[in-house]
Amino acid sequence: EPEVTQTPSHQVTQMGQEVILRCVPISNHLYFYWYRQILGQKVEFLVSFYNNEISEKSEIFDDQFSVERPDGSNFTLKIRSTKLEDSAMYFCASSGETGTGSYEQYFGPGTRLTVT
Amino acid sequence: AQSVSQHNHHVILSEAASLELGCNYSYGGTVNLFWYVQYPGQHLQLLLKYFSGDPLVKGIKGFEAEFIKSKFSFNLRKPSVQWSDTAEYFCAVNAVSSNTGKLIFGQGTTLQVKP
Repeated sequence: EPEVTQTPSHQVTQMGQEVILRCVPISNHLYFYWYRQILGQKVEFLVSFYNNEISEKSEIFDDQFSVERPDGSNFTLKIRSTKLEDSAMYFCASSGETGTGSYEQYFGPGTRLTVT
Repeated sequence: AQSVSQHNHHVILSEAASLELGCNYSYGGTVNLFWYVQYPGQHLQLLLKYFSGDPLVKGIKGFEAEFIKSKFSFNLRKPSVQWSDTAEYFCAVNAVSSNTGKLIFGQGTTLQVKP
């Protein structure tokens, strides 16, 4: 069964450093997402991406964040200058459009980002 | 703003007990509804979903959920839990009008099933 993959599984970085989290969505999917979960809190939507552009972003997704689909398979989340509060589990998800236009998202295993 | 509320944060049951996890959402428009499960050390997996039609939906592993529009609820049920159902359960909502697929999650319910 196809699945969403993410690398690395755990990333430790120092405050102020740039990080890139990588995701390989399911190959025939059209919609891509990033979510994050701070320890002990809800899973929060960050951004959705369709047709090579951001379709929606949350308040969390400020100028420090960016997403890119550099080739036909990867989908990346970049944090330009990490802060302590960026420490969280980051989940990538993808979905294809069904005939009804409804969405079922498939999630990757997550990248645990620790900012020290 | 949309929000999702799960009533129980931590539920402990014995095997063969019945399960009901509550989920309520706040949004006035048409929604798609989901329950995801995260087993220990694994990623989020879809248990079941409601898009339209019969409000009683059946998912994998014997789970079902009922959408009650008047109550803005989508409670998850299973008649007889097993030890292997120990996991975290998340209710999620997507507003159809958003057209982006954005999911709003509840805070999750940790289910512990004692053998």
